[in-house]
Formats: sequence, structure tokens, C-alpha cells
Amino acid sequence: EVQLWESGGGLVQPGGSLRLSCAASGFTFSSSAMSWVRQAPGKGLEWVSSIIGSGTTTHYVDSVKGRFTISRDNYKNTLHLQMNSLRAEDTAVYYCAKDRAYSYGLGMDVWGQGTTVTVSS
Amino acid sequence: QSALTQPASVSGSPGQSITISCTGTSSDVGAYNYVSWYQQHPGKAPKLMIYDVSNRPSGVSNRFSGSKSGNTASLTISGLQAEDEADFYCSSYATSSPYVFGTGTKVTVL
Repeated sequence: EVQLWESGGGLVQPGGSLRLSCAASGFTFSSSAMSWVRQAPGKGLEWVSSIIGSGTTTHYVDSVKGRFTISRDNYKNTLHLQMNSLRAEDTAVYYCAKDRAYSYGLGMDVWGQGTTVTVSS
Repeated sequence: QSALTQPASVSGSPGQSITISCTGTSSDVGAYNYVSWYQQHPGKAPKLMIYDVSNRPSGVSNRFSGSKSGNTASLTISGLQAEDEADFYCSSYATSSPYVFGTGTKVTVL
């Protein structure tokens, strides 16, 4: 069974940092692009970042450029999102998602259960 | 990249058909056949229902169908059932971004 499991969420003060992780199983991890999508409380889905299968190409939404870094370890089948200089508006449930193809943009067919990030003093 | 525009809510009675629209621009929906639709029940993760405008993943009911005309994509749910009550989001590949989501539509089964 294909599964994704996020971890690393929590409460952090504005300006602080968090590192989210997503453990994958049940598929060839290196063959799939991976993405992070967030959902603020009571709001819609917002794409945050994507990385291709090899990890050599990444893409970010403008609001997190320079603050967030997506990476992957294809040996450990794990996806990461390093989040620095966090702001109140980054408060959301963060979902890890498997893309349908080696490159991203073609739809996300498996989603984790989400991890909650709260930025507040 | 602005969010794609969806109606805030759509409702229908059991057995009826409903259609949710997703309006973008010539830089996203109109330019690429990479429109996806996701269903999200309260407190749950999204689920892929349609990809590449009109394709259904394995296991998704054939009551769900997708189409596109110009800058607008549509999701039709036929034979509406109680378990279809959820939020639905469209998504498209865009010139400046691999994913842009729609504003979301709450489907209510009357």
C-alpha cells in the first residue's frame, strides 16, 4: 500500500524554524516528484513547493521563496521541508503529496494525513 | 499566480447531477491539459478524483467526470449521493507555477 506520513509540525514563534519530514512507502520513491501543499484554518488548498524525482529541480510559491527549502533523500525515502523565518501567515496544515510522474505539475495521487504548523507568540 | 475561480457552493438532491466550474486564464487552464480535481471531506486529506482534465484514477467512481472548454474546466457528479458531500478543488499546471489551486467549492447534498 502506498503511504505517506508527515511529522515535525508544532508551535513555533514568529521568526523561528521548523523542519517537516514525510516518510514514504509502497512505491519507488525516486521515480516520483513530490510536493508540499498547505491549508490555513478554514481556508483552501495552497501549493507550497515541489521537487522532481532526482531532487535536482525545485519550485516554490512566491510567498515562501528564500525562507523554505524542499529536499529529498531517495535512499531513506523521505521528503523534507525546512521552514525558516516563519510568519503567522504560514500557520496551516501541511500535506505531503506524491506527484503522478517523475516531474511535477501533473496531479498529486497520494496524500499524507497532514501535520499542523502554528506560528504564534 | 492567482487562484482559479470556483463557485463557493453547489447543491443538489440525491440522484441529480451537478457541475462545478473552474475558471482560469490562457496561462493555466487554457494553456495546458493538466487540470486535476480533488475531493476533501472535513478533517481529511484531499483525494485525487480527476487528472489530465478527464481521466479517473483507479477506484474513483465513474459518476465523476471532467471536461474543459477554453479557460474553464468542469467537474460533473452524476447520480449524486450523500457521501459526495465534501469540498472540491480544481488545480492546473500554469506557465509560472506547477500547481495553482481553485478557490474551492462546497458540495451539499440536499
